[in-house]
Parts: sequence; C-alpha cells; structure tokens
Amino acid sequence: DVKVTQSSRYLVKRTGEKVFLECVQDMDHENMFWYRQDPGLGLRLIYFSYDVKMKEKGDIPEGYSVSREKKERFSLILESASTNQTSMYLCASSLLAGALYYEQYFGPGTRLTVT
Amino acid sequence: AQSVTQLDSHVSVSEGTPVLLRCNYSSSYSPSLFWYVQHPNKGLQLLLKYTSAATLVKGINGFEAEFKKSETSFHLTKPSAHMSDAAEYFCVVSDRTAHAGGTSYGKLTFGQGTILTVHP
Repeated sequence: DVKVTQSSRYLVKRTGEKVFLECVQDMDHENMFWYRQDPGLGLRLIYFSYDVKMKEKGDIPEGYSVSREKKERFSLILESASTNQTSMYLCASSLLAGALYYEQYFGPGTRLTVT
Repeated sequence: AQSVTQLDSHVSVSEGTPVLLRCNYSSSYSPSLFWYVQHPNKGLQLLLKYTSAATLVKGINGFEAEFKKSETSFHLTKPSAHMSDAAEYFCVVSDRTAHAGGTSYGKLTFGQGTILTVHP
C-alpha cells in the first residue's frame, strides 16, 4: 500500500521562527511536491522536486525553500515564519515522466499555525 | 494555461438521493482529469481519473464521472448518497509540463473544492 507520511499533524510556531516540515514516501517515486491548502482556494503548489537535490518553484514559492537530500524525503522550510503562512500543508509524490497519468499520492497534511 | 472551475462551493443532499458535483476545465492539450476526495482531517484520496480512454470513468465508492470535450466538463455523479460521502471534493486537471531538467511532469491544477453535506 502506498504511503506518504508527514512529520507532524499539528504545529504551532511563533512569528520569525524557522520551521521545518518533513515528508517521507515509501513508493520510490521520483517526483515530490509541497502544496498549501486554504479555504476557497483549493491547493496551490509551493515547490516540487523531480530528483534528489533538484527542485523547481511552483506557483507560490515566496517565503519558502525546500531540501531533498534523499529520494524518499522532501522538506519544506519556512525561513522566517509569518502569520500569513498559517495554513494546511500537504506533501505528495508521483512517478516521473513515462508514467502516463501523473497521479499524485498525498500525505495527511500538517496544520501549521503561526502566532 | 490550464484551469479548473468547480461550479458549486457547497452541495447538500439527502441520504439515498443522487449526487452531482460540477466541474469545468480549460487546457491547451489533451488533459488528464481527476477527482480527489478529502475527508475531515485527512489527506486527499483519488476517486477516479480520466486518461483519454473511455469517456465514462468509474471510481471507488460508486462514483463516476463523464468527460465531455465539447462542453469542457468533467462532472462527478453518484446514484445514491451515503452519509460517509460527506467530504470535500476536488476536480483536478493535469497537463504535461516541461521543466529545466528536460523531462516533464504532470502539473496538477486544483479546483476550489466542493463541500458535500449529506443529510439523514
């Protein structure tokens, strides 16, 4: 059974703190993604990675960075957390090109509150 | 550029009655289309996917969707709602997108979501 896990379900941080969100997948997928989910806006792509140490910006990368040192692990970093980064963060993974349908598998999400 | 519009932000039905969640899309290419479901405090789960084979797609839990190219629609239906169907549903379109690495990946664009409420 495919599995994407995220390190925390709920997280509360203070403004200005550095925040790390971790994601691990056990499906040997090449692609990994970070989204944020806000009511009425659906999911928006922050960053994605198509290989170890490779990354590309998504639609809303400002204020975020990522790290992928191993194939199975993809971290999202908030360098200096701000209140407008309070949101649900979802990690996903998928097979690389050559997989016809690009179905993504999602983790359970981390609800981050910045106070 | 691709986009997705879910025409209803909330849908309310009675248990045992049909469900219709509406979705329109725009895409430059032949897209793949998906419906995902998210139950409270859970991650997203794939309900079904359209990938240019049969236009009527059957998914899990009795859901199905019909791809209509002329109407650019991909509406989700179920003949009889169950209480456990109460959740948020996302219509998603995927185009191939090339990136600097030279390979392509499926960029997903999500609709805004439709919250389905099922009354006893």
